[in-house]
Amino acid sequence: EVQLVESGGGLVKPGGSLRLSCAASGFTFSNAWMSWVRQAPGKGLEWVGRIKSKTDGGTTDYAAPVKGRFTISRDDSKNTLYLQMNSLKTEDTAVYYCTTHICGGDCQPGFDYWGQGTLVTVSS
Amino acid sequence: SYVLTQPPSVSVAPGKTARITCGGNNIGSKSVHWYQQKPGQAPVLVIYYDSDRPSGIPERFSGSNSGNTATLTISRVEAGDEADYYCQVWDSSSDHPVVFGGGTKLTVL
Repeated sequence: EVQLVESGGGLVKPGGSLRLSCAASGFTFSNAWMSWVRQAPGKGLEWVGRIKSKTDGGTTDYAAPVKGRFTISRDDSKNTLYLQMNSLKTEDTAVYYCTTHICGGDCQPGFDYWGQGTLVTVSS
Repeated sequence: SYVLTQPPSVSVAPGKTARITCGGNNIGSKSVHWYQQKPGQAPVLVIYYDSDRPSGIPERFSGSNSGNTATLTISRVEAGDEADYYCQVWDSSSDHPVVFGGGTKLTVL
């Protein structure tokens, strides 16, 4: 059974930093392309960024609102995905989900598995 | 950047058919994915690549995509289908390559 478990959320002041983790199990994590998606309270879904598998280069892409502030990384030895968030703004307040791509590669994939999410609140 | 337009709400009586649209410029040339999200829960993929259903999703859920509109159709609607539904595409030409629609609240009367 595929499981994705996020952790690391909490309350942080504007300008602060936070690192989220996503522990994966039930599939071959090292082969998976992964994304982070967030949802502000009462709002819709917003893609944050993705990381390719290391065999496909391990590169990352980010949405414009977080580019230069957020960094996605992975530790395949620990089956864990990370989201390092710096220079946080109040508008980054959201539930953050980690997701798996339904296929690896540039295949216009959907996101077939989602974690339960972790809440990040940016407030003074 | 690419924009997906969904109606904010759709209402349907139990046993009837609900259709939720997702509009976008030449969306028929893209692959569309649909998610169901119930209150307090993570989204669930219900349709991928326009019309494929993941295992465990009832056959009552179907999808189509042509021209400027993609449609999620839910037949024989049940009370348990009440949820928010989001469409999603990839737009490789954009600096925001993953785009979600604004979501549609499905109310079962």
